[in-house]
Amino acid sequence: GAGVSQSPSNKVTEKGKDVELRCDPISGHTALYWYRQSLGQGLEFLIYFQGNSAPDKSGLPSDRFSAERTGGSVSTLTIQRTQQEDSAVYLCASSLGPLWTGKTNQGIHYEQYFGPGTRLTVT
Amino acid sequence: QKEVEQDPGPLSVPEGAIVSLNCTYSNSAFQYFMWYRQYSRKGPELLMYTYSSGNKEDGRFTAQVDKSSKYISLFIRDSQPSDSATYLCAMRMDSSYKLIFGSGTRLLVRP
Repeated sequence: GAGVSQSPSNKVTEKGKDVELRCDPISGHTALYWYRQSLGQGLEFLIYFQGNSAPDKSGLPSDRFSAERTGGSVSTLTIQRTQQEDSAVYLCASSLGPLWTGKTNQGIHYEQYFGPGTRLTVT
Repeated sequence: QKEVEQDPGPLSVPEGAIVSLNCTYSNSAFQYFMWYRQYSRKGPELLMYTYSSGNKEDGRFTAQVDKSSKYISLFIRDSQPSDSATYLCAMRMDSSYKLIFGSGTRLLVRP
């Protein structure tokens, strides 16, 4: 079946412009995550969606970053007034259920399936 | 200090070698431990996950967690050139949505 898809695969933008990155999760996956991967760094959590709501947006680096999810499916990450330090690969992942249901999971872990990422370069 | 430390490598080994990759962490509340493989210009894919302590084996891969030492390992037996990739460890607390990743170790298996 189809995996997680992201578009565009590459984006070059000038400093100060706004960009929108799109994520199409696997059909039926209720949880969606955005991560950022800078050169030589591990993945940095940005935001988590369960359905259309975002219980955890603690990883968004500044108020220039925002994200939404509609119809429990597609998600868009928007970066306003881009800066050079925003250059990174932005990865989206989806999972069948949330990592935490609000009670002790006792070892249940829903695998996160990652998309190929959007490589953002701010010049 | 980062919550999860991982040697960036690169680690270069001959085909057939046993590879040992590891991560250390500082947060004793971590309960879920994962290893991801990431090929160049691709998203990470989950190789294995372990809940709490212990060992887990899957084919040529073995994951070990030592919570007393805050140390996790991934062993790859009979390594193949197709194993050449970046390996990321990740972990999370029981009551968290977030995965905390190491920075990844680049592995090169020479034919």
